[in-house]
Amino acid sequence: KQEVTQIPAALSVPEGENLVLNCSFTDSAIYNLQWFRQDPGKGLTSLLLIQSSQREQTSGRLNASLDKSSGRSTLYIAASQPGDSATYLCAVKTGANNLFFGTGTRLTVIP
Amino acid sequence: DTGVSQNPRHKITKRGQNVTFRCDPISEHNRLYWYRQTLGQGPEFLTYFQNEAQLEKSRLLSDRFSAERPKGSFSTLEIQRTEQGDSAMYLCASSLMAEAFFGQGTRLTVV
Repeated sequence: KQEVTQIPAALSVPEGENLVLNCSFTDSAIYNLQWFRQDPGKGLTSLLLIQSSQREQTSGRLNASLDKSSGRSTLYIAASQPGDSATYLCAVKTGANNLFFGTGTRLTVIP
Repeated sequence: DTGVSQNPRHKITKRGQNVTFRCDPISEHNRLYWYRQTLGQGPEFLTYFQNEAQLEKSRLLSDRFSAERPKGSFSTLEIQRTEQGDSAMYLCASSLMAEAFFGQGTRLTVV
């Protein structure tokens, strides 16, 4: 069974700092990897999708990389802002229909 | 709003009662998923529809749970004889291609 691990579980940084969130998965036979943001008590907002054939994706201040062979992905956030405070979840799709999620990294950006 | 819509947003019910949640996916999306999320955990897959066909069900979906998507549009998730362990956030997602889009979820509290 696919297992997804996110480290660290929580992270607190001062505003303006660049930061990296880590995601690892045990089965490298994935179709894609997706990063989400979740605010407290809310649903998930899709941030970036990386197909298995891709190495990275960028959207604004966000950059996600994928190393499928080693089972790792990173989400890089540049020039962090207090509005970036949320829980960040990574999920991998294996087979056709199922997303396996990590437990998330809770990010706090201090003004 | 053209995103995934879930109703109700919150539901408090007494143990033993039946509850039903509704999900309206993004209109052109043929794939629909239900997930359950407990506090501090990532979402866990429950079931998957392609159009009106329920193609996959998780072992988490006990006999008390049933999901339908009668016309390949909206979907309902019913929980019969609710138990305190059913308290969670129930998330719906839809997709057309690779990227999954989630709704705001229904928070169920069983008292």
